[in-house]
Amino acid sequence: DAGITQSPRHKVTETGTPVTLRCHQTENHRYMYWYRQDPGHGLRLIHYSYGVKDTDKGEVSDGYSVSRSKTEDFLLTLESATSSQTSVYFCAISSGGSSYEQYFGPGTRLTVT
Amino acid sequence: AQTVTQSQPEMSVQEAETVTLSCTYDTSENNYYLFWYKQPPSRQMILVIRQEAYKQQNATENRFSVNFQKAAKSFSLKISDSQLGDTAMYFCAFMNYGGATNKLIFGTGTLLAVQP
Repeated sequence: DAGITQSPRHKVTETGTPVTLRCHQTENHRYMYWYRQDPGHGLRLIHYSYGVKDTDKGEVSDGYSVSRSKTEDFLLTLESATSSQTSVYFCAISSGGSSYEQYFGPGTRLTVT
Repeated sequence: AQTVTQSQPEMSVQEAETVTLSCTYDTSENNYYLFWYKQPPSRQMILVIRQEAYKQQNATENRFSVNFQKAAKSFSLKISDSQLGDTAMYFCAFMNYGGATNKLIFGTGTLLAVQP
């Protein structure tokens, strides 16, 4: 299995509080992704990174920011959590180029009350 | 923009029987990859099978095979000799070949229940 961990695995927080989710990889892969999974929507891309300090928006980026200061860590921040951000969040990694497979972390279940 | 459609929200199959999950997609690109991912109750996303659009031969992985119809933009998954461990949510996904970022676009999923 690809070395991807996510922390925390579960979190309950209140509306309006900031939340940061961490994705850590040991594969030295260039590309990292944050997805959210919601019933009836499958997985949707929030943000992705194509290198240290290089990030871009996905299809559902509003209300989220990301940072990548090291190859191995990709942080997802909810500046002011809302109930609509209650979801399961997945991190994925890829070496990119012709190696197109993405490997997923175990997911983080976030509940915003 | 590419889209992926899975029209079967839920399916059920008896153990040892065969089941086919449907997926259609829309793209103007000619080179791309298609995937089926499995998500069991553990929530882990597991790659089941992949197909390169430039290959005419349908991909096969043990009991899992696909029927790839490029002109019809259809990519169905067949599971033979279904096992209880196949119970999971199955997602069809699309990736544009040659893109710099390898972004995946997912369908909404099909929940498969294998009955004993």
